[in-house]
Amino acid sequence: DTGVSQNPRHKITKRGQNVTFRCDPISEHNRLYWYRQTLGQGPEFLTYFQNEAQLEKSRLLSDRFSAERPKGSFSTLEIQRTEQGDSAMYLCASSPTVDSGNTIYFGEGSWLTVV
Amino acid sequence: GNSVTQMEGPVTLSEEAFLTINCTYTATGYPSLFWYVQYPGEGLQLLLKATKADDKGSNKGFEATYRKETTSFHLEKGSVQVSDSAVYFCALHPMNSGGYQKVTFGIGTKLQVIP
Repeated sequence: DTGVSQNPRHKITKRGQNVTFRCDPISEHNRLYWYRQTLGQGPEFLTYFQNEAQLEKSRLLSDRFSAERPKGSFSTLEIQRTEQGDSAMYLCASSPTVDSGNTIYFGEGSWLTVV
Repeated sequence: GNSVTQMEGPVTLSEEAFLTINCTYTATGYPSLFWYVQYPGEGLQLLLKATKADDKGSNKGFEATYRKETTSFHLEKGSVQVSDSAVYFCALHPMNSGGYQKVTFGIGTKLQVIP
């Protein structure tokens, strides 16, 4: 399977704990994105990486959130001191540098439940 | 800014009925338009896309035509099946936003097909 891979797929955590999600993009894709989808809503853009550089962050990404892509390959999204409002699905996506008809490729998502 | 408006669900149809899910958009420039499908507990799957005005995207019996004059991209299928039950998202991929895809999604329309 050469698609976008996300781990873990499901995470239940207690309020106040830290959680980290990992995303492995399609191998030749330089661009990597994180989106968040809350129940009953469409996904919302969180952040974008071009190789290892984080080039845009949404206002949705509070100080408790940090995303990295240290070697320009996989990425991690860490949420510190989780709150119940952080419960959502966190989607990772990737795309190549060369435009492929404006298509980006989404992973299966990581579900977070904060109790 | 960009926005996508799609009809709220849920939409309940009998098997073999005709499906229309309305989607309209506002955008600067000339975006690409996409429909994604999300099955229960899963991530987003690309269903179809159209990259310029009057293009028709099609896949698995679903169709949508990019109408610039009405800023619409309605999803249609002539005969739905129970297996089509899912949430459908209309999405706008902006044109050359720094070369990366900051996608704007609609709220999603849940389709339930009953035998």
